[in-house]
Amino acid sequence: VELVESGGDLVQPGGSLRLSCEASGYGSRFSFGNYHMNWVRQAPGKGPEWLAYINPAGDITYYGDSVKGRFTISRDNARYSLYLQMNSLRDEDTAVYYCTKSSFGSGTNWFDPWGQGTLVTVSS
Amino acid sequence: QSVLTQPPSVSAAPGQRVTITCSGGSSNIGSTDVSWYQQVPGTAPKLLIYDNSDRPSGIPDRFSGSKSGTSATLDITGLQTGDEADYYCGTWDYSLNVFLFGGGTEVTVL
Repeated sequence: VELVESGGDLVQPGGSLRLSCEASGYGSRFSFGNYHMNWVRQAPGKGPEWLAYINPAGDITYYGDSVKGRFTISRDNARYSLYLQMNSLRDEDTAVYYCTKSSFGSGTNWFDPWGQGTLVTVSS
Repeated sequence: QSVLTQPPSVSAAPGQRVTITCSGGSSNIGSTDVSWYQQVPGTAPKLLIYDNSDRPSGIPDRFSGSKSGTSATLDITGLQTGDEADYYCGTWDYSLNVFLFGGGTEVTVL
């Protein structure tokens, strides 16, 4: 399974950005619709922080408190893609954002694999 | 301050052993399984151990994990220079309803 993120950029505080994560490789694409998917970010010099989860059908989502109400996770299984719509961005949202597959949803115990990450910088 | 507590750094000579602890509570480690991740600077985290002690395919048996009560441990034996990285524990927290990562431990090979 290979996951490739894109969409990271420099954005001003209060702005919006949409990240994408695409599953590449025939095997990955064949099974993407069965994957539980997440976004995790890592601020400079900090540990990873789980942000959001979406189930295979795309109708169940969970969010961490730091992004709840501002970020929206979604997916398009026909395009083998995962998305993160980020609104009302703050300086503290500056981080590398990773998409990653989990064992399941609430109560999940591990993430594997991870994409290479995409950098979001929020600054004026 | 992370809910899951790890030592900031550990070090040892090549060939030696290091042990990294991850301390939590009853709502996280005490309630469910733990995973461990290796992160070489500039790269994405990589799953090293899942379900407390299982290794994904391709991870050498020099890496082993265990859990007891509200703490988990990662052992690295036969330390190699390529093991220099940051290591993070992780687990679900049923009180906070989020997946938590530890603060991370930097492993240095002397």
